[in-house]
Amino acid sequence: GQQLNQSPQSMFIQEGEDVSMNCTSSSIFNTWLWYKQDPGEGPVLLIALYKAGELTSNGRLTAQFGITRKDSFLNISASIPSDVGIYFCGVYNNAGNMLTFGGGTRLMVKP
Amino acid sequence: DGGITQSPKYLFRKEGQNVTLSCEQNLNHDAMYWYRQDPGQGLRLIYYSQIVNDFQKGDIAEGYSVSREKKESFPLTVTSAQKNPTAFYLCASSKGYGHYGYTFGSGTRLTVV
Repeated sequence: GQQLNQSPQSMFIQEGEDVSMNCTSSSIFNTWLWYKQDPGEGPVLLIALYKAGELTSNGRLTAQFGITRKDSFLNISASIPSDVGIYFCGVYNNAGNMLTFGGGTRLMVKP
Repeated sequence: DGGITQSPKYLFRKEGQNVTLSCEQNLNHDAMYWYRQDPGQGLRLIYYSQIVNDFQKGDIAEGYSVSREKKESFPLTVTSAQKNPTAFYLCASSKGYGHYGYTFGSGTRLTVV
């Protein structure tokens, strides 16, 4: 199956700092999704990207669909304690009916 | 409001007992999925169903069973054959077509003692 490499695996940052994480693959995809999982909860969709080069924002979050279609980036500006959680990237298979998720980036924010 | 509900939130069982986790959705989604998550780890697919009365094994189906008798419901049974059942279980649903992503439930934390 598709292999998504998500990095870093974990980050421990100071409140107010900007955060950047990415997801890469050896295959090309037509859709990149970013989810956030709060501790003890299910993941929630943050941003969906449908076009190579697309840059989309959701509040302090900005995600980009890589021009090669093999990667995507998620940036969080001015982090706050409630940004704590695990961030997952996801891509659809060729049939468009199954998502594959990356291993996640665990974000910890120190107040 | 439409959503996907997992119950219970916390579940304790004795070793050797089967246990069934509930997942119900009122989003009119065709597809449903079960994932397992271990502490600090990613999501591993157990079973999925694209349509009523049909389901397929995911990457870690051994020791688990499912049924899909109704569109709204996709219960997961953790059997005594599952060697390490203590984990966080997540159910999700999707339209089954189009790249709209999955909607996840809030999870069930199963502890086997």
